[in-house]
Amino acid sequence: EVQLEESGGGLIQPGGSLTLSCAVSGLIVSANYMSWVRQAPGKGLEWVATLYTGVATYYSDSVKGRFTISRDNSKNTLNLQMSRLRAEDTAVYYCARSYYDGSDYHNYFDYWGHGTLVTVSS
Amino acid sequence: EIVLTQSPATLSLSPGERATLSCRASQSVSIYLAWYQQKPGQAPRLLIYDTSNRATGIPARFSGSGSGTDFTLTISSLEPEDSAVYYCQHRRTWPITFGQGTRVEIK
Repeated sequence: EVQLEESGGGLIQPGGSLTLSCAVSGLIVSANYMSWVRQAPGKGLEWVATLYTGVATYYSDSVKGRFTISRDNSKNTLNLQMSRLRAEDTAVYYCARSYYDGSDYHNYFDYWGHGTLVTVSS
Repeated sequence: EIVLTQSPATLSLSPGERATLSCRASQSVSIYLAWYQQKPGQAPRLLIYDTSNRATGIPARFSGSGSGTDFTLTISSLEPEDSAVYYCQHRRTWPITFGQGTRVEIK
């Protein structure tokens, strides 16, 4: 059974930094395309960042230069380092796996964690 | 950035009725569009990918159609458990974007 569990959320002041982690079981993070998707309170879904199986990374314009997606192969975790946080970064952050059809990855998200809440406020 | 616009914002129907949800893209996404269902307090669930392919375990009452800029998610006969917010998402180019969602209410 595949399970993703996010941690590291909390209350942080504007301008601060925070690192989120996503512990994964049932699949190998380094062998999958992995992403972060966020959802502001009462709002819709927003893609944040994606890490491919190599080193390629992709970011939304709203977080580019402030957030870094990475993985720790020894722990089988996906991470999101967030810096220079703003009030508009307040959201539940989900980690998610890109769908794999047996031969290729497609950037739709078939496995999700339950999310971790990040609140940016003074 | 490709903008996805969903309509209507809210759909209120009775059990057994047919629900038709629309997603319009600001430019062509070919067939590279998915639909998700999200219930309160839960993560989204992938329903449909590449316009019309049901994800694993998704009931046959969910179907998708369209291409280019206009897409539809159809729920053929609503069940009470279908009450949720539904989002479309494209993967045509970076950045990946989602629609703003359609809320389906069961009367």
